[in-house]
Parts: sequence; C-alpha cells; structure tokens
Amino acid sequence: KQEVTQIPAALSVPEGENLVLNCSFTDSAIYNLQWFRQDPGKGLTSLLLIQSSQREQTSGRLNASLDKSSGRSTLYIAASQPGDSATYLCAVITSGTYKYIFGTGTRLKVLA
Amino acid sequence: AAGVIQSPRHLIKEKRETATLKCYPIPRHDTVYWYQQGPGQDPQFLISFYEKMQSDKGSIPDRFSAQQFSDYHSELNMSSLELGDSALYFCASSPFHEKLFFGSGTQLSVL
Repeated sequence: KQEVTQIPAALSVPEGENLVLNCSFTDSAIYNLQWFRQDPGKGLTSLLLIQSSQREQTSGRLNASLDKSSGRSTLYIAASQPGDSATYLCAVITSGTYKYIFGTGTRLKVLA
Repeated sequence: AAGVIQSPRHLIKEKRETATLKCYPIPRHDTVYWYQQGPGQDPQFLISFYEKMQSDKGSIPDRFSAQQFSDYHSELNMSSLELGDSALYFCASSPFHEKLFFGSGTQLSVL
C-alpha cells in the first residue's frame, strides 16, 4: 500500500529565503508525481508534474526533483515571497492504479 | 479556459439525509477523481472513473456511490449522512495520468 509523507509539517521563513520541501513515498513503482498548492478553504492547484522517467521539472521559481529509487521528491522554492504562503502537497500515482495518494502536506508561511 | 465545475459550493444536511454532489470535468479529460478532505487533513481518495467506467476505489463507505454519465459529468451520492461526513469534497479531472485539475470543492456540513 502506497504511503506518502512530507517533511516538515510546517515551515515559517523570512521573505527572500530559498527553501526545500520533502516528499517520501513507500512504493517506487510510480507513474508520476505531482506537487500541489492549496490555499485555505480552496481547491488544489497543480504546480509541477514529474513523470517517472524524469529527474526534475522547473517552473519559474519552483524546481521539483524525483529520485524514484529512493522514494523521494523535493520541491525547491527560490526567493520565497509572502504570496507563496500556502499548504504544499505532493501526490503520487502508482503504476497500475487510477488514484493519486496525497502526502500529509507542508504548511508554509513566508514572513514579510 | 474551462475549469472543473462542482455544484453546489455549500450544502447543509441533517443526519440520515441524502446528498448529491455534481462534477463537470474539463472537456476531453477522460479521468475523473473524487476526494474527501477533512479540516487540516490531506485529501483522501474516494473513487475514480476512466472513460465513464469505475477505475479505482478507495476507502469509500458503502453509503456512498458514484457514477459518470454519457456527457462525462459525475455525481457522488451520499446516503444516511453522518456527522463525520462533514468535509470538503473535491472532484478533479485529467487526461489519462496527466496533470490534475481540481474543482473548487463542495463544503458539506451535516448537522
């Protein structure tokens, strides 16, 4: 059974810092991994998708890496801004399934 | 661009009542997912459909059922509602195993 965990659970940083969020999964036979952002009471927005054959994806100040063999992904946020404050979730879809399993999320607060 | 549309946005029900949540996926997306999210929790997978056929099932109570119709919209039916069913219910759609697009969710409150 696929299990996904995220560390840290919460993070508070001053504006301008670079930061790393971590995601671990137990079954490495994944089809892809996605990182999402969720604002309080709102839906989830997909930030980056990494296919199992890829090592990283970049979008603006965001960079996500994937090490499938070790069951890990990281989301790197450069030059953080107060508008980045949200909960960040990773989700994986295991090969042969039709369900994304979500991690426990990291609540990020960027202080002005 | 069209997004995933969910209705209603808010729903208040009494215990033991029935609720129906609707989801209209993005056109040409062949996969629909339903998730339940309690306060401060991560989304929990309920059920998914691929090309209108049920494709996977999570920890969905027997009191819940879902289907996808010929026009690709999906409905989640919840009967004999319990207080613990109060949560945010999300629908998401995607092309097969591609980027997920989530709706704004339905906030269900069971009193």
